[in-house]
Amino acid sequence: QQQVKQSPQSLIVQKGGISIINCAYENTAFDYFPWYQQFPGKGPALLIAIRPDVSEKKEGRFTISFNKSAKQFSLHIMDSQPGDSATYFCAASRGNTPLVFGKGTRLSVIA
Amino acid sequence: ETGVTQSPTHLIKTRGQQVTLRCSSQSGHNTVSWYQQALGQGPQFIFQYYREEENGRGNFPPRFSGLQFPNYSSELNVNALELDDSALYLCASSFGLAYSTDTQYFGPGTRLTVL
Repeated sequence: QQQVKQSPQSLIVQKGGISIINCAYENTAFDYFPWYQQFPGKGPALLIAIRPDVSEKKEGRFTISFNKSAKQFSLHIMDSQPGDSATYFCAASRGNTPLVFGKGTRLSVIA
Repeated sequence: ETGVTQSPTHLIKTRGQQVTLRCSSQSGHNTVSWYQQALGQGPQFIFQYYREEENGRGNFPPRFSGLQFPNYSSELNVNALELDDSALYLCASSFGLAYSTDTQYFGPGTRLTVL
């Protein structure tokens, strides 16, 4: 049973456009929702994270939107750049329980 | 760079063999977690070690085992390799135990191929 469902599987965005990746979770006990960025040949790196007490968190060009009632959260990348081309993973956890990852979204930003 | 290193980078084994993968955590990080990332999938939690003791385990059989050493290094051992064990194996170190408050820093991974 997949606890975190991520979509789309792949995404192509024009340079300067907005990239949007969505995740849905099942376990209402989750209280931590990070996004990781992974470049080829590298391990995942924490990009931005949110807790359910806020509906939005912004860091530079990256924004997480969180909808607790719908059990959904999304990553928005504004002014997407070719350097943003990577695989993005959403994840969820609670306290000492391990992170549960989505299957990933491969983002390609084309000029 | 995260300061977390893994060796080897790539490894090819045959079914039934045993393999040892190594990880060097950031200095001062007491916790190391190991993940398996199959092709096209997200990382899946194998187990966590805290101060040299196993502190949690995912849905992996006992032939997956680990060790953590006082010098911030750790090992993942897999016995009786199966074809489905082919994957990228990631270690991640953190200062404490709580996944929701202690940022995990991932290494670049070891790509294991089982033939």
